[in-house]
Amino acid sequence: DIQMTQSPSSLSASVGDRVSITCRASQSVSSDLNWYQKKPGKAPNLLIYAASSLQRGVPSRFSGSGSGTDFTLTISSLQPEDFATYYCQQSFRIPYTFGQGTKLEIK
Amino acid sequence: EVQLVESGGGLVQPGRSLRLSCAASGFNFDDYSMHWVRQAPGKGLEWVSGINWNSGDKEYADSVKGRFTISRDNSEKSLYLQMNSLRVEDTAFYYCTKDFGASGPGWYFDFWGQGILVTVSS
Repeated sequence: DIQMTQSPSSLSASVGDRVSITCRASQSVSSDLNWYQKKPGKAPNLLIYAASSLQRGVPSRFSGSGSGTDFTLTISSLQPEDFATYYCQQSFRIPYTFGQGTKLEIK
Repeated sequence: EVQLVESGGGLVQPGRSLRLSCAASGFNFDDYSMHWVRQAPGKGLEWVSGINWNSGDKEYADSVKGRFTISRDNSEKSLYLQMNSLRVEDTAFYYCTKDFGASGPGWYFDFWGQGILVTVSS
């Protein structure tokens, strides 16, 4: 199975900050890397697919980059509604695997 | 509007069975693969199982292989997960999710249900 490792596991930041979350795959997943936002009691929400494509309806402050084994999710200017847990997921090979999550908290 | 509504969860004893259902609407159900993803309390997301558009390809996580069976009824626009020999570690919220593609890897989960809680406990 492909292992996905996110860093950091948690992050404290303030509204207006620029933050980045990284995701590393144990082997190349090409560009088959997706990012989801998860809030307590809510369904996960797709933010970025194919490493860098913004899902329809997602604010442009979210962006993704990378290919192969190293990927980054960046939020350019944090808004109050962005405090949540973020997961990367590889769809290159079954079984699909997720990173362990990065919890973004208010400083 | 795409809607995915799970049902069938609840409290069950270890070793017993449960069947989850997911009712889909707002898209051409038989054009897409579908999946189940779960989240145990305080844990991360785990892909459980997936099925392609015509049920010709079914995949499972090792943790559920041989115990869970995924199926779909395209005429009813419904997805199912038959869970047998349930274990305490199967306790989780189970999410029905739509794949962007019809078959195979390389796509992504673009719509999700609200989830249903399955609790396995004696």
